[in-house]
Amino acid sequence: NAGVMQNPRHLVRRRGQEARLRCSPMKGHSHVYWYRQLPEEGLKFMVYLQKENIIDESGMPKERFSAEFPKEGPSILRIQQVVRGDSAAYFCASSPPSGHARLHEQYFGPGTRLTVT
Amino acid sequence: AQSVSQHNHHVILSEAASLELGCNYSYGGTVNLFWYVQYPGQHLQLLLKYFSGDPLVKGIKGFEAEFIKSKFSFNLRKPSVQWSDTAEYFCAVNARGTTDSWGKLQFGAGTQVVVTP
Repeated sequence: NAGVMQNPRHLVRRRGQEARLRCSPMKGHSHVYWYRQLPEEGLKFMVYLQKENIIDESGMPKERFSAEFPKEGPSILRIQQVVRGDSAAYFCASSPPSGHARLHEQYFGPGTRLTVT
Repeated sequence: AQSVSQHNHHVILSEAASLELGCNYSYGGTVNLFWYVQYPGQHLQLLLKYFSGDPLVKGIKGFEAEFIKSKFSFNLRKPSVQWSDTAEYFCAVNARGTTDSWGKLQFGAGTQVVVTP
C-alpha cells in the first residue's frame, strides 16, 4: 500500500512566480492536511481538507495561499507570487475517513522543499 | 490556544544510554498526544500515540511514553538507544472539544537526537 505521495520533492521558483504542490493521500484516506516547516522550527498546521471541502484553514496565510482537494485527483497547495519567506518544506498528511479506528492518525508524505530565489 | 514545548533542541548520547525527551503542552481539555520521528532523509513516521486509557503507551522500536495529566506532559523514553535512533523527534497534540478542528496537530519544535557509536 503506497504511502502519501508528494510531488515535486524539490521546487525552485523565482520571486513572483506561482508554486503548485501536489499531494496524493494514502489509498482509502479521505482527509488531507498541509503543514509548513521553516528552518529550525516544528511543523505548523496550514489547512485541513476533505474531498471538495475545506474544514479548517486557520493556519493559512490570508493572501496568496490556497488549497483544494477535488473529487478526483490530488490535493493541491497553491502559492501565488512567491516571496523568499515562502521557502520552506511543505508536508502533506492524510488520515482515514470518519468512523475508522485510526481516524486521528495522520500519515505524512516526504514533503516538498520549496526554494524561492 | 494550545501550544507544545519540547525541552531540548539537541541531545547527544552514546549507544546503550537511556533517552528521555520532554514534551509539555498547554491545554486544559481532552487531548490526543503523539510522538513522530523523522530519520535522516525520510519522512515523518508515527512512533506512538495516546488517546485514552493506560497512560503508559508503547510504540515501535522499543520507545514508550507516559502521559501525566497533572503535569501536562507526555515524555518519550527509550532504555537503551542504538545508533539507528539518530533522528529528529517531534511531539504533537490535537485537542478535542475546542474551536480548533481535531485535525489540527500542534507540533513542538523538535529535538535532534544524535547517538554516537
